[in-house]
Amino acid sequence: NAGVMQNPRHLVRRRGQEARLRCSPMKGHSHVYWYRQLPEEGLKFMVYLQKENIIDESGMPKERFSAEFPKEGPSILRIQQVVRGDSAAYFCASSQVTVGGYEQYFGPGTRLTVT
Amino acid sequence: KQEVTQIPAALSVPEGENLVLNCSFTDSAIYNLQWFRQDPGKGLTSLLLIQSSQREQTSGRLNASLDKSSGRSTLYIAASQPGDSATYLCAVDGSSNTGKLIFGQGTTLQVKP
Repeated sequence: NAGVMQNPRHLVRRRGQEARLRCSPMKGHSHVYWYRQLPEEGLKFMVYLQKENIIDESGMPKERFSAEFPKEGPSILRIQQVVRGDSAAYFCASSQVTVGGYEQYFGPGTRLTVT
Repeated sequence: KQEVTQIPAALSVPEGENLVLNCSFTDSAIYNLQWFRQDPGKGLTSLLLIQSSQREQTSGRLNASLDKSSGRSTLYIAASQPGDSATYLCAVDGSSNTGKLIFGQGTTLQVKP
């Protein structure tokens, strides 16, 4: 059973370009979460999605950022018109519903560098 | 607003020592608490999940305890090894029960041979 897959692992974009980050959850997992780790800062929640639905996007910046988890295919985190402050590691996690809550499994992350 | 704090921020110990990492949270209404390990430049590896109804969980040399009423969790590592060197993160799933994790800043552990 493959773990959470993220690609690309490293992404370099110039200011103003678009960044697309992909996440394939573990097999059987229907919940996807995106987190961001800024340099010298902790991990911060961005968005929680289920298939075709955004459940909680309270951590997403209001502009330029969007996320989707279509019926088929990976979840996508999209950043439009990137700025240097978007440089960070972006982690995706997936889970399935259990009685005790949601144990999350993380992918290796995508490290975005904006030049 | 839930806040998670980890103390100490960094710790250096000789190989073989038993050690305790601390995590505290401000809102005791949590569904579960998860401990992770993060190696430099890598993703997170889940170590232990403690549900709100549980007091502790064990996996190999690791033991995590949870005291909801006092807002505290500890991660105990027995007989530390150089391979345990990493950053250890504590995260709580708060009252929303959506799986949204609130993370502490982590404790960076170095185990010297």
